[in-house]
Amino acid sequence: DVKVTQSSRYLVKRTGEKVFLECVQDMDHENMFWYRQDPGLGLRLIYFSYDVKMKEKGDIPEGYSVSREKKERFSLILESASTNQTSMYLCASSQGGNQPQHFGDGTRLSIL
Amino acid sequence: GIQVEQSPPDLILQEGANSTLRCNFSDSVNNLQWFHQNPWGQLINLFYIPSGTKQNGRLSATTVATERYSLLYISSSQTTDSGVYFCAVERRYGGATNKLIFGTGTLLAVQP
Repeated sequence: DVKVTQSSRYLVKRTGEKVFLECVQDMDHENMFWYRQDPGLGLRLIYFSYDVKMKEKGDIPEGYSVSREKKERFSLILESASTNQTSMYLCASSQGGNQPQHFGDGTRLSIL
Repeated sequence: GIQVEQSPPDLILQEGANSTLRCNFSDSVNNLQWFHQNPWGQLINLFYIPSGTKQNGRLSATTVATERYSLLYISSSQTTDSGVYFCAVERRYGGATNKLIFGTGTLLAVQP
């Protein structure tokens, strides 16, 4: 079975802090994704990566950056956390082509 | 961009009842997935079904790609089926990376 692991289920940080969310997959997948989920807005794509050191902006990249130094790990970075970044963050991976995406358990991030 | 609409938005069932959830999409798609998000926020893959019919236990799904809709059937519902059901589609514009576009979901509550 595909395993996508997010480093924290719950995280509380303060405004202005630099925040790192980590995601690791164990299936040698090419593609990795970061989404955020908000009530009434559904899941929205922040960034994705189709290869090591490669990244592309999704629909809502403002205020975020990403890092993919190794194939199995994809990090989401909040450079200076703000209260409007309080949300549920979900990481996913896929082999690409006609293959499904598999999701981690999510991180509920609160910015105070 | 492509629009994904799900119906009904909310559904309450008695345990043991059957239900059908619908997903309409506005353009041709390369891939379609159904997910169940449980009350703890975990997003579980149900089906990867760009076309045709698949079954997994009490759940089955049918996608009619030419008519741009997909149906998820839940039979003999159980309280553990409660949660939000999402349909997500991918349309590729020449690239290989599968970016999913999510519907707004159907909130299902199964009562004992």
